[in-house]
Amino acid sequence: DAKTTQPNSMESNEEEPVHLPCNHSTISGTDYIHWYRQLPSQGPEYVIHGLTSNVNNRMASLAIAEDRKSSTLILHRATLRDAAVYYCILRDVDSGYALNFGKGTSLLVTP
Amino acid sequence: GAGVSQTPSNKVTEKGKYVELRCDPISGHTALYWYRQSLGQGPEFLIYFQGTGAADDSGLPNDRFFAVRPEGSVSTLKIQRTERGDSAVYLCASSLQAGGTADTQYFGPGTRLTVL
Repeated sequence: DAKTTQPNSMESNEEEPVHLPCNHSTISGTDYIHWYRQLPSQGPEYVIHGLTSNVNNRMASLAIAEDRKSSTLILHRATLRDAAVYYCILRDVDSGYALNFGKGTSLLVTP
Repeated sequence: GAGVSQTPSNKVTEKGKYVELRCDPISGHTALYWYRQSLGQGPEFLIYFQGTGAADDSGLPNDRFFAVRPEGSVSTLKIQRTERGDSAVYLCASSLQAGGTADTQYFGPGTRLTVL
């Protein structure tokens, strides 16, 4: 499976935008980019996913580089409830069932 | 609606004992997944069911681990002769269908297993 690389941790101020980067230089043409997050003492939850075009939903935006070798999860206005570990995961649309989480980025949000 | 539920929320056992962990998926979800998460690590895939059958059990660490889903809904993860290294949070997830672009997995809160 293609791998992703994320910073171990990031910090943001409350109500500021947050840009969480992910590198995936070996991504294949059939890999979707998924983001999940895990709040403290909870199971992971889906955030967003995309293939080539940028995507927006009520939780976040996903910006995908033109060559697809990197992507950025954007939280437009961080709140204290956004403090979590964020996982960038590649998933093959044809054969990918399991999520390969890696270590993710631990986001700290300060008031 | 009701999400994925897991019981018990915490389980403490002694080395060598047998344990069962239960997962109730979201109603109507045909795919069910088990993951294991050790402290400071991301979840690791164990096994996935499509309906009643185990479609991929490549993540099970050894033959002490076994999972069933006899009626295509509730699943039980069974661990024989537990070892201290089995201590972790065991997570269950379900999705409407496996694979494809619409396969969003919904996770339960997990069962924290501690083997003394």
